[in-house]
Amino acid sequence: AQTVTQSQPEMSVQEAETVTLSCTYDTSESNYYLFWYKQPPSRQMILVIRQEAYKQQNATENRFSVNFQKAAKSFSLKISDSQLGDTAMYFCAFMKMLGGGSEKLVFGKGTKLTVNP
Amino acid sequence: DVKVTQSSRYLVKRTGEKVFLECVQDMDHENMFWYRQDPGLGLRLIYFSYDVKMKEKGDIPEGYSVSREKKERFSLILESASTNQTSMYLCASSLLRQGGIYGYTFGSGTRLTVV
Repeated sequence: AQTVTQSQPEMSVQEAETVTLSCTYDTSESNYYLFWYKQPPSRQMILVIRQEAYKQQNATENRFSVNFQKAAKSFSLKISDSQLGDTAMYFCAFMKMLGGGSEKLVFGKGTKLTVNP
Repeated sequence: DVKVTQSSRYLVKRTGEKVFLECVQDMDHENMFWYRQDPGLGLRLIYFSYDVKMKEKGDIPEGYSVSREKKERFSLILESASTNQTSMYLCASSLLRQGGIYGYTFGSGTRLTVV
């Protein structure tokens, strides 16, 4: 069974600094997708960034980037120039493909990030 | 702006009541999902559906059922609510075979308290 582990329940960072959130996963599949979602206090889950396993290049979205290490099954999220609005729960997720064209996301337990002024 | 709408933001029900949580999406998505979110446990999949009248059990289906009579609507049913079902419930949807490309679109959640 696929599992996703986020080893840091809580983290804090000063505004404008850089922070890295860790995520490891376990799978025997060769092709899959990985995601980072953000959940601010408003509760709306927002997709931050995604990575396709067959692509070696790390995904980047503005201040957000990932360090994808396929052999190590590691998928960390780096937030540069942290802003107060980055304060949120961050969830790492693995997409498992199912039959019939469907799929499901398996989530980690989350990391609560606080950006301090 | 595309949306997944959950009918209630907060809900308080009594033990033993039958509870309906409604979710509607306007994106013509085939796949719909119900997750439960608890502190320290992350999101856990309860049920999902990839077509009208189709349903599949997720990781924690016990005590729940679902209904999908129309493509845009996916209902979660607690047949006899219990206090251990007090939680945040999140609905999500995705396009068939496109979830890996576009991810899921989530609703804003329903915080259910069973007393």
